[in-house]
Amino acid sequence: NAGVTQTPKFQVLKTGQSMTLQCAQDMNHEYMSWYRQDPGMGLRLIHYSVGAGITDQGEVPNGYNVSRSTTEDFPLRLLSAAPSQTSVYFCASTPRSAYNEQFFGPGTRLTVL
Amino acid sequence: LAKTTQPISMDSYEGQEVNITCSHNNIATNDYITWYQQFPSQGPRFIIQGYKTKVTNEVASLFIPADRKSSTLSLPRVSLSDTAVYYCLVGGYSSASKIIFGSGTRLSIRP
Repeated sequence: NAGVTQTPKFQVLKTGQSMTLQCAQDMNHEYMSWYRQDPGMGLRLIHYSVGAGITDQGEVPNGYNVSRSTTEDFPLRLLSAAPSQTSVYFCASTPRSAYNEQFFGPGTRLTVL
Repeated sequence: LAKTTQPISMDSYEGQEVNITCSHNNIATNDYITWYQQFPSQGPRFIIQGYKTKVTNEVASLFIPADRKSSTLSLPRVSLSDTAVYYCLVGGYSSASKIIFGSGTRLSIRP
């Protein structure tokens, strides 16, 4: 199993640009989530999904959209990038039967100029 | 969701036992306690999870008192490679609710 994969690893955007961060998992996990981590800080939950077709907001959802059309994929869309969205973004998945045991991807380092 | 409180940072030396305590006064009956470890530039990694008393695995031990309002992660004989941030979380085992991370404890191990 590849586990949780994220692309791209690095991205630089200009203010106002939009883009999609990709996240995929091959473990058939029902629960997936997106976090952002600013330098020296803890992780903050952006959006999460408990299964295909179901998404919900986390702590800091503004400026981001998600969808979950399949169990495997959970893309995060930045609608109009702002410098405040400069951060490292982590995607995670977990089986519903043990939902606290999350598996994290390697992260995407995003810089917005 | 039960809020957790941990020390911001801790220092120790190689070979010592390190205990990191987490407070969760509002823990619910069906909440489990989970600890994660995060190295720089990596995503967090699950370490251990428990509900009550003591849980031990190859990496750490987790001590939970009877009232479950706190928990202690114990790392035996730490090495330099245990330098990381450690997060304590509480939540239901099969809940569909949010999994929220706090600020964590930054553990620094010195030679």
